[in-house]
Amino acid sequence: DQQVKQNSPSLSVQEGRISILNCDYTNSMFDYFLWYKKYPAEGPTFLISISSIKDKNEDGRFTVFLNKSAKHLSLHIVPSQPGDSAVYFCAAKEDNYGQNFVFGPGTRLSVLP
Amino acid sequence: EAQVTQNPRYLITVTGKKLTVTCSQNMNHEYMSWYRQDPGLGLRQIYYSMNVEVTDKGDVPEGYKVSRKEKRNFPLILESPSPNQTSLYFCASSRMAGGHNEQFFGPGTRLTVL
Repeated sequence: DQQVKQNSPSLSVQEGRISILNCDYTNSMFDYFLWYKKYPAEGPTFLISISSIKDKNEDGRFTVFLNKSAKHLSLHIVPSQPGDSAVYFCAAKEDNYGQNFVFGPGTRLSVLP
Repeated sequence: EAQVTQNPRYLITVTGKKLTVTCSQNMNHEYMSWYRQDPGLGLRQIYYSMNVEVTDKGDVPEGYKVSRKEKRNFPLILESPSPNQTSLYFCASSRMAGGHNEQFFGPGTRLTVL
């Protein structure tokens, strides 16, 4: 059973609007979360992270929100740009698991001009 | 330039023919890992290594071997490939020290086993 779920395989958003990508997890021991972005024919690249002691982390156009009680996190991209079109992976890990992250299945974001 | 390299990028082979996918990083990272990406399943960890001569199984290790004789290299070995190992493979590396560290990924190797 997947411990990290991204229930929307794809999402389309108009340029300039907000993109919201969602991620749910089942393991209550997860305490660190990351988002990766992946373009075709490239490896994933790190985007933004959040620790469980926070409920929000912001980096430019990207903001990640964490709701621990709901075991839910979301990535907001404002404003969305065509270059944001990619597959986005949510990943999580437990504090004592070294660098071993569990990844979700990914959401393909298409930002339409 | 800091990077993780993988070779080959594309490989088509036949069932049972041993193959090795190489991975190398130039960032002096202690931690290295192999993942496979399949549709609807995301990235699943095959094996990882926390330092030279220290390797351990991930979530889907069956049919794979690894070795870590040098810090920079972490080859993935398929002794007898089967069609269910057709997938997109990624190598990744990160620091171990300093708490949580994001992983740097290679460009991927697309493997087809006929």
